[in-house]
Amino acid sequence: GIQVEQSPPDLILQEGANSTLRCNFSDSVNNLQWFHQNPWGQLINLFYIPSGTKQNGRLSATTVATERYSLLYISSSQTTDSGVYFCAVVTYSGAGSYQLTFGKGTKLSVIP
Amino acid sequence: DAGITQSPRHKVTETGTPVTLRCHQTENHRYMYWYRQDPGHGLRLIHYSYGVKDTDKGEVSDGYSVSRSKTEDFLLTLESATSSQTSVYFCAISERPGDGEQFFGPGTRLTVL
Repeated sequence: GIQVEQSPPDLILQEGANSTLRCNFSDSVNNLQWFHQNPWGQLINLFYIPSGTKQNGRLSATTVATERYSLLYISSSQTTDSGVYFCAVVTYSGAGSYQLTFGKGTKLSVIP
Repeated sequence: DAGITQSPRHKVTETGTPVTLRCHQTENHRYMYWYRQDPGHGLRLIHYSYGVKDTDKGEVSDGYSVSRSKTEDFLLTLESATSSQTSVYFCAISERPGDGEQFFGPGTRLTVL
């Protein structure tokens, strides 16, 4: 099956710093999503971005499908950005069905 | 936020007992999914449904069964719980299968003693 690798696995930032999280995938995909899992365990949708660039406030994402990677940019980080960021890709698994495969996540800690 | 609720939110049970987790949605989405989240593994698909009474297996389906008698409800059953099924279980929904965005419920933390 498809491999989804996220880097770095852990990241510690000072409040106000910027960061880039990376997601590499081993095959072509139908779509790609970025999620934030907050410290309470809730999975929050950040971006649905099979290709191109999107921005939402201090966060933006870029997916280059032809080169099989996606980047999540966090600018002016805040303590509320702490948590785990997951990349997930959808691939066709045959017989009309699709599968969402998650990376193992990047754990972000923003310190005051 | 997508209208997805899961019940119970927390459950402790003993090995060998049956357990049923419920996912309820108010979005009228056709597709529903059950995932489990374990340290070091991320989220993995257990079963999914593509319509009422239409279900299929995911990556880690052994030991689990599902049912969907109404569009809004998707049940996950552990017929005889084992300690290896201790996990956090998430339900998700989407309007379309392949290129549709998935939205997740709040999760159920299950502990099997």
